[in-house]
Amino acid sequence: AQSVTQPDIHITVSEGASLELRCNYSYGATPYLFWYVQSPGQGLQLLLKYFSGDTLVQGIKGFEAEFKRSQSSFNLRKPSVHWSDAAEYFCAVGARSGNTGKLIFGQGTTLQVKP
Amino acid sequence: DAGVTQSPTHLIKTRGQQVTLRCSPKSGHDTVSWYQQALGQGPQFIFQYYEEEERQRGNFPDRFSGHQFPNYSSELNVNALLLGDSALYLCASSHLAASGKPNTGELFFGEGSRLTVL
Repeated sequence: AQSVTQPDIHITVSEGASLELRCNYSYGATPYLFWYVQSPGQGLQLLLKYFSGDTLVQGIKGFEAEFKRSQSSFNLRKPSVHWSDAAEYFCAVGARSGNTGKLIFGQGTTLQVKP
Repeated sequence: DAGVTQSPTHLIKTRGQQVTLRCSPKSGHDTVSWYQQALGQGPQFIFQYYEEEERQRGNFPDRFSGHQFPNYSSELNVNALLLGDSALYLCASSHLAASGKPNTGELFFGEGSRLTVL
């Protein structure tokens, strides 16, 4: 079955500390991979995406993610967290072929930033 | 360039009622997908519309139906509302790649319509 697992429901980090959010997926073939962020009461904003090529992808707001095929993982990282990064983060996968309107999302990780 | 817009932003209904949610896609996009996001959960795919037809459907009952208009805007209808239908309903738009071109698969989301069923 196709699924996305975000093992950490809630993470708290201090401002200025580094961050890593984990994402593992189960899919028939290598999918397209995404990280979205959602602030309270808001929709989803795309942070970054992986389609092909370099397995380390850069996104907005200083985020990066690394695709590891052997581990079926796509972990999100940021070297220094800012208070404004506090939000809900979702990892998602989608099919490479055909009509890709269907994404499968993980349950999300809530990030809290301590001053 | 307007992004994806949804209306209404909030609404309250009672059990058994019907609701219609609306979505206008990002300029240049021709495909609309709808997602349901229950509290504390990730979004779940309901269905997708392209060329005014439902193209893909997730695991949702027939009470959930939709429509796409010639201007690419879309509606989501839910009949016989249940308490469990309370959620944030997200619309996402994309552009279906022309035949022979790679499909980037990127979706742009609206801010959602929050439905509360009492």
